[in-house]
Amino acid sequence: EADIYQTPRYLVIGTGKKITLECSQTMGHDKMYWYQQDPGMELHLIHYSYGVNSTEKGDLSSESTVSRIRTEHFPLTLESARPSHTSQYLCASKYEGGLDEQFFGPGTRLTVL
Amino acid sequence: GNSVTQMEGPVTLSEEAFLTINCTYTATGYPSLFWYVQYPGEGLQLLLKATKADDKGSNKGFEATYRKETTSFHLEKGSVQVSDSAVYFCALSFSGSARQLTFGSGTQLTVLP
Repeated sequence: EADIYQTPRYLVIGTGKKITLECSQTMGHDKMYWYQQDPGMELHLIHYSYGVNSTEKGDLSSESTVSRIRTEHFPLTLESARPSHTSQYLCASKYEGGLDEQFFGPGTRLTVL
Repeated sequence: GNSVTQMEGPVTLSEEAFLTINCTYTATGYPSLFWYVQYPGEGLQLLLKATKADDKGSNKGFEATYRKETTSFHLEKGSVQVSDSAVYFCALSFSGSARQLTFGSGTQLTVLP
């Protein structure tokens, strides 16, 4: 079954640690996105990708980085986590040329102590 | 720029009550409009959509009509259930836009038995 996966679902780490949030989709979608969701529920686009080797920054400035080496994989990395990075991170994907619907993963809830 | 304004929550209703969540948008041109739902601990799921004026999207008893004259896309359901408790997001997008979705701030709905 085609789907979009995020791991881990929950992560609690200490300040200064390097972390990578994984996102994979099996739908062959070209476009992928990372959103940060604050406690007030609002969604902010932090990164997106048109396809392999393409990455762009979103509307909300983020200290995280992303890469897109394979179509199905769009990991997000924080080199040195801080408490201000505590948030929910949602990954999404969309097929180029299809309807405008984005498909979302279940999210990773990150807590930095 | 494009923006979406949603009715502020939280909204609390009794089971079988009528639901309306207001959504208005500002955009240059004619976007596609969406309602997404986020159940507790999960990512977003597309609930319904409309791609042109006067279109009505419907799913799971929810409906919304694309009103160009009032730039609105209000979500309605005639009889809510406890299982409808979730956060609802209104969103817009333009075909061909790389960044795709512009979200409203979300409305928390709680349905009491």
